[in-house]
Amino acid sequence: EPEVTQTPSHQVTQMGQEVILRCVPISNHLYFYWYRQILGQKVEFLVSFYNNEISEKSEIFDDQFSVERPDGSNFTLKIRSTKLEDSAMYFCASSEGPRTEAFFGQGTRLTVV
Amino acid sequence: DAKTTQPPSMDCAEGRAANLPCNHSTISGNEYVYWYRQIHSQGPQYIIHGLKNNETNEMASLIITEDRKSSTLILPHATLRDTAVYYCIVRGLRSGGSNYKLTFGKGTLLTVNP
Repeated sequence: EPEVTQTPSHQVTQMGQEVILRCVPISNHLYFYWYRQILGQKVEFLVSFYNNEISEKSEIFDDQFSVERPDGSNFTLKIRSTKLEDSAMYFCASSEGPRTEAFFGQGTRLTVV
Repeated sequence: DAKTTQPPSMDCAEGRAANLPCNHSTISGNEYVYWYRQIHSQGPQYIIHGLKNNETNEMASLIITEDRKSSTLILPHATLRDTAVYYCIVRGLRSGGSNYKLTFGKGTLLTVNP
């Protein structure tokens, strides 16, 4: 069964460093999303992406965040200068259409020290 | 997106049906009801969705009331592996937008007991 894959599963980084979280969406999907979940809290929407541009972003997704689809298969989330409060699980998701079900990856646990 | 209300927790005996309720009294005509679940800190897992008709798949059944103000997710024979947080989400089109983000609430922690 096709699945969304995310790498790495766990990333530890020093405050102020840049990190890139990688995702391979399901191959025929056209809509891509990033969510995050701080430990013990709700899953929060960050950004959605379609046709090589951001469709919608939340207030969390400020200038330190960026997304990119550098080739036909990868979808990345970059955090330019990490802060302690960026520590969270980051989930990538993809869907075939704008209203079809979104499938999530297993997440990347980001720990900022 | 319309707000949903779910009980914070529920228990179910293994092998029995688990019925998880959700209220979404402000749902509008073009909004779908989606159910996801999250086991530990794994990625949310899609279960089922519907607009106004009842739906069934290999995982669960979704019963939506005629006025669409509430719904029930039914796991017909719950197993220990069904212990998870279950999210009821009303998904609609952002005004002027082209994407349908999922807005997660706190969900219902379903504990299946042996």
